[in-house]
Amino acid sequence: QQQVKQSPQSLIVQKGGISIINCAYENTAFDYFPWYQQFPGKGPALLIAIRPDVSEKKEGRFTISFNKSAKQFSLHIMDSQPGDSATYFCAASLGSGNTGKLIFGQGTTLQVKP
Amino acid sequence: NAGVMQNPRHLVRRRGQEARLRCSPMKGHSHVYWYRQLPEEGLKFMVYLQKENIIDESGMPKERFSAEFPKEGPSILRIQQVVRGDSAAYFCASSQGQNYGYTFGSGTRLTVV
Repeated sequence: QQQVKQSPQSLIVQKGGISIINCAYENTAFDYFPWYQQFPGKGPALLIAIRPDVSEKKEGRFTISFNKSAKQFSLHIMDSQPGDSATYFCAASLGSGNTGKLIFGQGTTLQVKP
Repeated sequence: NAGVMQNPRHLVRRRGQEARLRCSPMKGHSHVYWYRQLPEEGLKFMVYLQKENIIDESGMPKERFSAEFPKEGPSILRIQQVVRGDSAAYFCASSQGQNYGYTFGSGTRLTVV
């Protein structure tokens, strides 16, 4: 119930391509879904986040697509660049009225080849 | 604004010793979260604290681990009698409140030898 399942575990994309990472959850009480980017030796940094009242959110080259009925959400990175090579984590939170703790997926290591 | 400061960045302890990890939240942030990241895994929630209070410690191991966030000074995660399985990266995050996004620190990488 508290798990967030993320796939794929690793991803290789050519420069300029689209990177797609998927996550699925079970707990319908989750109401905040952020994506974090982590470079080696660094802490995770918030990339983009969505709440379940919208189906899509776009910020620059990064888009979250959210399917409430399927309990799935995904991150799309358009025009992928070598500088995007990092580990990406999806997460979910019970949000408002709760402690705000995040449940993280297992992570996806993205490599963008020049 | 220096961000969330964690120290030390790297910590090596022998089995049985104590590890003390420190976290100074961002200015104006009074909420602190600790997470643990094992190699090749995602982050696992450990504890959520506000000044002088532990709000949620549902992710803390029952023994040897403790956390505090005193009125003055940094938040401390303390691990007593460390074992090899405690080797991990420990991340602290701070926020203005439960409904605000987190800012993570760069972590403390604990190695138990």
